[in-house]
Amino acid sequence: DIQMTQSPSSLSASVGDRVTITCRASQRISTYLHWYQQKPGKAPKLLIYEASNLQSGVPSRFSGSGSGTDFTLTINSLQPEDFATYYCQQGYSAPPYTFGQGTKLEIK
Amino acid sequence: QVQLQESGPGLVKPSGTLSLSCAVSGASMNSTHWWTWVRQPPGKGLEWIGDIYHRGNTNNNPSLKSRVTISIDKPNNRFSLKLTSVTAADTAIYYCARGGLGKRQFDYWGQGTLVTVSS
Repeated sequence: DIQMTQSPSSLSASVGDRVTITCRASQRISTYLHWYQQKPGKAPKLLIYEASNLQSGVPSRFSGSGSGTDFTLTINSLQPEDFATYYCQQGYSAPPYTFGQGTKLEIK
Repeated sequence: QVQLQESGPGLVKPSGTLSLSCAVSGASMNSTHWWTWVRQPPGKGLEWIGDIYHRGNTNNNPSLKSRVTISIDKPNNRFSLKLTSVTAADTAIYYCARGGLGKRQFDYWGQGTLVTVSS
């Protein structure tokens, strides 16, 4: 299985801050990397697909980069609605497709 | 607008079979997508269970061994999950989702249904 490791596991930030979340794959996965946002009691929501492509309807303050084994999700100018848990997921090799353990973004 | 909706029992006895269905609207099940199940134990992360293509091809998570069966009912626009020999470790919110053909991004999700394994 391809292991996905996110860092940090949790993060405190303020409205208006810029934050970066990192995801590392245990082997090269090209750009087969996707990012999701999950709020309590809700299903995950696709934010970024194929490492850097913004899903339709997602605000432009979200961006993604990376290829191979190292990827980042950046949120510019944090908004109150951005406080949530973020997951990366590899779509390169299955079974199984695997998720990172999640990064919980909290209000400072 | 693509919508997915899970349905099924919220309580299953240990050693029993968990059966869930996912109704799909706003999309053809003959499209180039993989119809997917993902679960999330309470307070924990996401685990991919498996998926099915409209031609009947399936993929399952090896960690679930041979307990998983995913099937598709194209005339009724739904697909289903069966998980046998359940234990408390199978207690989770179960989501159905639509997966991209090539790079398996999950772009539409159901709202999830909590299944508890308990006697």
